[in-house]
This record gives sequence, C-alpha cells and structure tokens, in this order.
Amino acid sequence: ETAVFQTPNYHVTQVGNEVSFNCKQTLGHDTMYWYKQDSKKLLKIMFSYNNKQLIVNETVPRRFSPQSSDKAHLNLRIKSVEPEDSAVYLCASSPDWGGSYEQYFGPGTRLTVL
Amino acid sequence: GEKVEQHESTLSVREGDSAVINCTYTDTASSYFPWYKQEAGKSLHFVIDIRSNVDRKQSQRLTVLLDKKAKRFSLHITATQPEDSAIYFCAARSNYNVLYFGSGTKLTVEP
Repeated sequence: ETAVFQTPNYHVTQVGNEVSFNCKQTLGHDTMYWYKQDSKKLLKIMFSYNNKQLIVNETVPRRFSPQSSDKAHLNLRIKSVEPEDSAVYLCASSPDWGGSYEQYFGPGTRLTVL
Repeated sequence: GEKVEQHESTLSVREGDSAVINCTYTDTASSYFPWYKQEAGKSLHFVIDIRSNVDRKQSQRLTVLLDKKAKRFSLHITATQPEDSAIYFCAARSNYNVLYFGSGTKLTVEP
C-alpha cells in the first residue's frame, strides 16, 4: 500500500515534556511537509523538506525541530511542549519541489498537552 | 506572505442543489490553487485544482473558477449529495511550493 503514514495516532502528555512524531511516505515523493491544524480547524504550514533538505520554516517556535533521515521520512520533535501545542499535526508529501502537484496527507497525530 | 481568506465558514444546501465556496488571496505571484476536502474525523484529501494559466476547470460535478484580477477563486459543486458533506479548504501556492490554506467551509448537504 502506498500512502503517507503517521505514528502515533494520539499522544497525551504534560507541559514541559518532549514528544516525537513520525511520518513515512511510500509514494516515492521528493517533498514532505508538516502542518498544524488547531481546534478551529485552521491549517498552517510548519516545515517543508525537499530530498532531506529543509526548505521552509514558517515562523515556528524553536522547541519544534524536524528531522529527516531520507526523503521518505520526516519526523517532528517538540522539545518542551506547551498548552498551545495541542493540535493535530498533519504530515504530507508531494512528488516534486518545483511543480504544482497535489499534496497527499497522512491521517494526523493528535497531541493533547495537559 | 500569502493570505487566503475563505468567506463562508458554514454552508447548508439541500440535496441536489448547487453549492459555491469563495476564496480570495493576496499574493499576485500565487499561481496554483487547490481545494481539499476533510470529512469528519479524517485527514485532508485533494479534490480539484486550477493553475493561473486558465480561468476555469471542471471535473465531473466540480468546477473551479479563477479571477486573477480580483484575486478570487471559487469551488462550485452541482447536484450535491449527502457524501459531499465535509469541510472544504481552499489554498494558494507560494513561491516555495508551500500551500497557504483558507479557514475552511463546513458544507452540510441535507437530504
């Protein structure tokens, strides 16, 4: 099956803890993204990677750090979570950097910070 | 950066009627405008897109119109069905292949 996979589905943690989310795509795409969707369903780009290289970092707090081991994987680490980090984190991929191709989204990881 | 405004936060139509969702954008350099659908409890999936070299694109019951002068684009759904009920997001692509999304329109198709 070719798709975008995310783990975990849900994560509940306390303020100040560190969390990591994983994303893997088996579509053979070159570009991957992390988006944050808040409780009002607002979607905002966080990071974009092309072939393991960071391309876009959209004014994201320093406690967020993406990590890419190869073009099929893009993980997200949050060093010390805060209540406003509660959201759904969506990973996506697209075939090529330069083209206007559709993005394929994973199912999301719902983070709740207590 | 690009700002995309989605005008209708909710839209309710009767089955079989048409639905129209409108969006505006700010960056004249934006050249690609996709629409995504998010069903309850699910992730986003692509429905249709339009590039700036055309002003209309149709795919079955979906039509996208683009007015570059007004920096406005819209999604038209004809013969709506209950399974069209979802949140629809418009987006505009920036120079770095990043999508900036509107705030979403919750479409409800009533039987």
